[in-house]
Amino acid sequence: QVQLVQSGAEVKKPGASVKVSCKASGDTFSSYVMYWVRQAPGQRLEWMGWINAGKGNTKYSQKFQGRVTITRDTSASTAYMELSSLTPEDTAVFYCAILRREAFDIWGQGTLVTVSS
Amino acid sequence: QSALTQPRSVSGSPGQSVTISCTGSSSDVGGYNFVSWYQQHPGKAPKLMIYGVTKRPSGVPDRFSGSKSGNTASLTISGLQAEDEADYYCCSYADTYTSWVFGGGTKLTVL
Repeated sequence: QVQLVQSGAEVKKPGASVKVSCKASGDTFSSYVMYWVRQAPGQRLEWMGWINAGKGNTKYSQKFQGRVTITRDTSASTAYMELSSLTPEDTAVFYCAILRREAFDIWGQGTLVTVSS
Repeated sequence: QSALTQPRSVSGSPGQSVTISCTGSSSDVGGYNFVSWYQQHPGKAPKLMIYGVTKRPSGVPDRFSGSKSGNTASLTISGLQAEDEADYYCCSYADTYTSWVFGGGTKLTVL
Protein backbone atom coordinates (compact mmCIF):
# COMPACT_ATOMS: atom_id res chain seq x y z
CA GLN A 1 0.00 0.00 0.00
CA VAL A 2 1.43 3.35 -1.03
CA GLN A 3 2.21 5.83 1.74
CA LEU A 4 2.80 9.57 1.48
CA VAL A 5 5.25 11.28 3.83
CA GLN A 6 5.32 15.06 3.92
CA SER A 7 7.98 17.49 5.08
CA GLY A 8 7.83 19.10 8.49
CA ALA A 9 6.10 22.17 9.84
CA GLU A 10 7.18 25.61 8.63
CA VAL A 11 6.98 29.12 10.02
CA LYS A 12 7.13 31.90 7.46
CA LYS A 13 6.86 35.66 7.44
CA PRO A 14 4.25 37.46 5.34
CA GLY A 15 5.35 37.86 1.76
CA ALA A 16 7.59 34.80 1.85
CA SER A 17 7.19 31.52 0.00
CA VAL A 18 6.98 27.99 1.31
CA LYS A 19 7.76 24.71 -0.42
CA VAL A 20 6.29 21.49 0.94
CA SER A 21 7.35 18.05 -0.21
CA CYS A 22 5.45 14.78 -0.40
CA LYS A 23 7.37 11.54 -0.85
CA ALA A 24 5.55 8.43 -2.05
CA SER A 25 6.61 4.93 -1.17
CA GLY A 26 6.35 2.15 -3.71
CA ASP A 27 7.37 2.05 -7.34
CA THR A 28 4.30 3.38 -9.14
CA PHE A 29 4.80 7.11 -8.54
CA SER A 30 4.49 7.96 -12.21
CA SER A 31 0.99 6.48 -12.33
CA TYR A 32 -0.38 8.89 -9.74
CA VAL A 33 -2.34 12.11 -9.97
CA MET A 34 -1.21 13.99 -6.89
CA TYR A 35 -3.40 16.70 -5.41
CA TRP A 36 -2.61 19.36 -2.84
CA VAL A 37 -5.38 20.26 -0.42
CA ARG A 38 -5.46 23.10 2.09
CA GLN A 39 -7.25 23.07 5.43
CA ALA A 40 -7.21 26.40 7.23
CA PRO A 41 -8.15 26.38 10.94
CA GLY A 42 -11.85 25.62 11.28
CA GLN A 43 -12.32 25.73 7.52
CA ARG A 44 -13.33 23.22 4.90
CA LEU A 45 -10.89 21.28 2.81
CA GLU A 46 -10.12 22.93 -0.53
CA TRP A 47 -8.10 21.66 -3.44
CA MET A 48 -5.26 23.82 -4.65
CA GLY A 49 -4.04 21.96 -7.69
CA TRP A 50 -2.74 18.68 -9.02
CA ILE A 51 0.07 17.17 -11.02
CA ASN A 52 0.11 14.09 -13.20
CA ALA A 53 3.25 12.53 -11.82
CA GLY A 54 3.98 10.70 -15.05
CA LYS A 55 3.36 13.42 -17.63
CA GLY A 56 4.17 16.37 -15.39
CA ASN A 57 1.15 18.41 -16.46
CA THR A 58 -0.60 20.49 -13.83
CA LYS A 59 -3.88 22.22 -13.13
CA TYR A 60 -4.47 24.84 -10.46
CA SER A 61 -7.56 26.03 -8.66
CA GLN A 62 -8.59 29.50 -9.74
CA LYS A 63 -8.32 30.59 -6.11
CA PHE A 64 -4.59 29.85 -5.99
CA GLN A 65 -3.69 30.41 -9.64
CA GLY A 66 -0.60 32.57 -9.88
CA ARG A 67 0.59 31.82 -6.34
CA VAL A 68 0.94 28.04 -6.36
CA THR A 69 3.39 25.88 -8.28
CA ILE A 70 3.30 22.10 -8.16
CA THR A 71 6.25 20.08 -9.42
CA ARG A 72 7.60 16.57 -9.11
CA ASP A 73 10.85 14.66 -9.16
CA THR A 74 10.12 11.18 -10.47
CA SER A 75 13.59 9.91 -9.52
CA ALA A 76 12.81 10.77 -5.90
CA SER A 77 9.11 9.80 -6.06
CA THR A 78 8.40 13.20 -4.60
CA ALA A 79 5.91 15.94 -5.37
CA TYR A 80 6.31 19.54 -4.28
CA MET A 81 3.93 22.40 -3.65
CA GLU A 82 5.25 25.95 -3.48
CA LEU A 83 2.99 28.77 -2.34
CA SER A 84 4.20 32.34 -2.69
CA SER A 85 3.20 35.77 -1.36
CA LEU A 86 2.10 34.26 1.92
CA THR A 87 -0.30 36.11 4.20
CA PRO A 88 -1.50 35.18 7.71
CA GLU A 89 -4.65 33.85 6.04
CA ASP A 90 -2.51 31.14 4.47
CA THR A 91 -1.85 29.62 7.89
CA ALA A 92 -3.14 26.11 7.38
CA VAL A 93 -2.37 22.43 7.17
CA PHE A 94 -1.46 21.39 3.65
CA TYR A 95 -2.04 17.81 2.51
CA CYS A 96 -0.94 15.88 -0.52
CA ALA A 97 -3.37 13.21 -1.65
CA ILE A 98 -3.55 10.66 -4.46
CA LEU A 99 -6.67 10.66 -6.59
CA ARG A 100 -7.81 7.12 -7.36
CA ARG A 101 -11.27 5.72 -8.02
CA GLU A 102 -12.39 9.34 -8.39
CA ALA A 103 -11.71 10.02 -4.73
CA PHE A 104 -8.82 11.19 -2.58
CA ASP A 105 -7.68 7.71 -1.73
CA ILE A 106 -4.35 8.17 0.07
CA TRP A 107 -3.34 11.18 2.14
CA GLY A 108 -0.08 12.46 3.53
CA GLN A 109 0.10 13.26 7.22
CA GLY A 110 -0.19 16.98 6.61
CA THR A 111 2.22 19.90 6.96
CA LEU A 112 1.39 22.87 9.16
CA VAL A 113 2.46 26.19 7.69
CA THR A 114 2.23 29.16 10.02
CA VAL A 115 2.49 32.65 8.58
CA SER A 116 3.30 35.26 11.17
CA SER A 117 5.38 38.38 11.49
CA GLN B 1 -16.73 27.65 -6.84
CA SER B 2 -19.80 26.53 -4.91
CA ALA B 3 -19.36 24.42 -1.83
CA LEU B 4 -21.44 21.56 -0.55
CA THR B 5 -23.70 22.04 2.48
CA GLN B 6 -23.49 19.76 5.50
CA PRO B 7 -25.03 20.07 8.96
CA ARG B 8 -22.53 21.48 11.43
CA SER B 9 -23.09 18.71 13.93
CA VAL B 10 -24.95 15.47 14.56
CA SER B 11 -24.98 13.18 17.55
CA GLY B 12 -26.09 9.73 18.57
CA SER B 13 -25.71 7.17 21.31
CA PRO B 14 -23.62 4.02 20.99
CA GLY B 15 -25.44 1.44 18.91
CA GLN B 16 -27.69 3.95 17.22
CA SER B 17 -27.59 5.12 13.61
CA VAL B 18 -26.93 8.60 12.32
CA THR B 19 -27.15 10.10 8.84
CA ILE B 20 -25.13 13.05 7.58
CA SER B 21 -26.44 14.90 4.55
CA CYS B 22 -24.48 16.71 1.86
CA THR B 23 -26.42 19.01 -0.45
CA GLY B 24 -25.08 20.36 -3.69
CA SER B 25 -26.48 21.02 -7.13
CA SER B 26 -26.97 19.42 -10.51
CA SER B 27 -23.46 20.60 -11.39
CA ASP B 28 -21.86 18.44 -8.75
CA VAL B 29 -23.63 15.92 -6.48
CA GLY B 30 -26.66 15.58 -8.71
CA GLY B 31 -24.73 15.34 -11.93
CA TYR B 32 -22.03 12.81 -11.12
CA ASN B 33 -21.61 9.60 -9.14
CA PHE B 34 -18.28 10.86 -7.83
CA VAL B 35 -19.28 11.56 -4.25
CA SER B 36 -16.86 10.57 -1.51
CA TRP B 37 -16.82 10.83 2.27
CA TYR B 38 -13.88 11.35 4.62
CA GLN B 39 -13.43 10.83 8.34
CA GLN B 40 -11.02 13.11 10.16
CA HIS B 41 -9.99 12.73 13.78
CA PRO B 42 -8.41 15.75 15.52
CA GLY B 43 -4.88 16.39 14.35
CA LYS B 44 -5.05 13.59 11.77
CA ALA B 45 -5.31 13.46 8.01
CA PRO B 46 -8.67 12.71 6.40
CA LYS B 47 -9.41 9.06 5.68
CA LEU B 48 -11.49 7.87 2.74
CA MET B 49 -14.62 6.08 3.96
CA ILE B 50 -16.91 6.03 0.91
CA TYR B 51 -16.24 6.61 -2.80
CA GLY B 52 -18.40 6.48 -5.89
CA VAL B 53 -21.43 7.39 -3.71
CA THR B 54 -21.84 3.90 -2.24
CA LYS B 55 -18.53 2.01 -2.36
CA ARG B 56 -16.40 1.21 0.68
CA PRO B 57 -12.60 0.86 0.48
CA SER B 58 -11.27 -2.33 1.98
CA GLY B 59 -10.88 -2.07 5.72
CA VAL B 60 -13.79 0.32 6.21
CA PRO B 61 -16.48 -1.32 8.37
CA ASP B 62 -19.78 -2.10 6.67
CA ARG B 63 -21.44 0.06 9.34
CA PHE B 64 -20.61 2.93 6.99
CA SER B 65 -22.82 3.32 3.94
CA GLY B 66 -23.47 5.98 1.35
CA SER B 67 -26.39 6.94 -0.85
CA LYS B 68 -27.62 9.73 -3.07
CA SER B 69 -30.97 11.17 -4.07
CA GLY B 70 -31.07 14.06 -6.49
CA ASN B 71 -28.64 16.75 -5.39
CA THR B 72 -28.20 15.34 -1.87
CA ALA B 73 -25.79 12.63 -0.81
CA SER B 74 -25.88 10.94 2.58
CA LEU B 75 -23.54 9.02 4.83
CA THR B 76 -25.14 6.65 7.29
CA ILE B 77 -23.26 5.17 10.22
CA SER B 78 -25.05 2.35 11.95
CA GLY B 79 -24.16 0.72 15.27
CA LEU B 80 -22.35 3.85 16.44
CA GLN B 81 -19.12 3.30 18.31
CA ALA B 82 -17.07 5.70 20.39
CA GLU B 83 -14.27 5.72 17.81
CA ASP B 84 -16.66 7.03 15.17
CA GLU B 85 -16.59 10.42 16.89
CA ALA B 86 -14.84 12.64 14.34
CA ASP B 87 -15.41 15.23 11.65
CA TYR B 88 -16.88 13.99 8.38
CA TYR B 89 -16.51 15.72 5.03
CA CYS B 90 -18.26 15.02 1.76
CA CYS B 91 -16.71 15.73 -1.60
CA SER B 92 -17.97 15.72 -5.17
CA TYR B 93 -16.65 16.31 -8.63
CA ALA B 94 -18.03 19.59 -9.97
CA ASP B 95 -18.09 20.46 -13.64
CA THR B 96 -17.74 24.11 -12.79
CA TYR B 97 -14.03 24.74 -13.32
CA THR B 98 -13.68 20.92 -13.71
CA SER B 99 -12.77 20.60 -10.07
CA TRP B 100 -13.65 19.04 -6.76
CA VAL B 101 -15.71 20.66 -4.04
CA PHE B 102 -15.92 19.76 -0.37
CA GLY B 103 -18.59 20.17 2.23
CA GLY B 104 -18.01 22.27 5.31
CA GLY B 105 -17.73 19.23 7.55
CA THR B 106 -19.98 17.69 10.18
CA LYS B 107 -18.87 17.00 13.73
CA LEU B 108 -20.22 13.67 14.94
CA THR B 109 -20.53 13.33 18.69
CA VAL B 110 -21.11 9.90 20.22
CA LEU B 111 -23.00 10.56 23.43
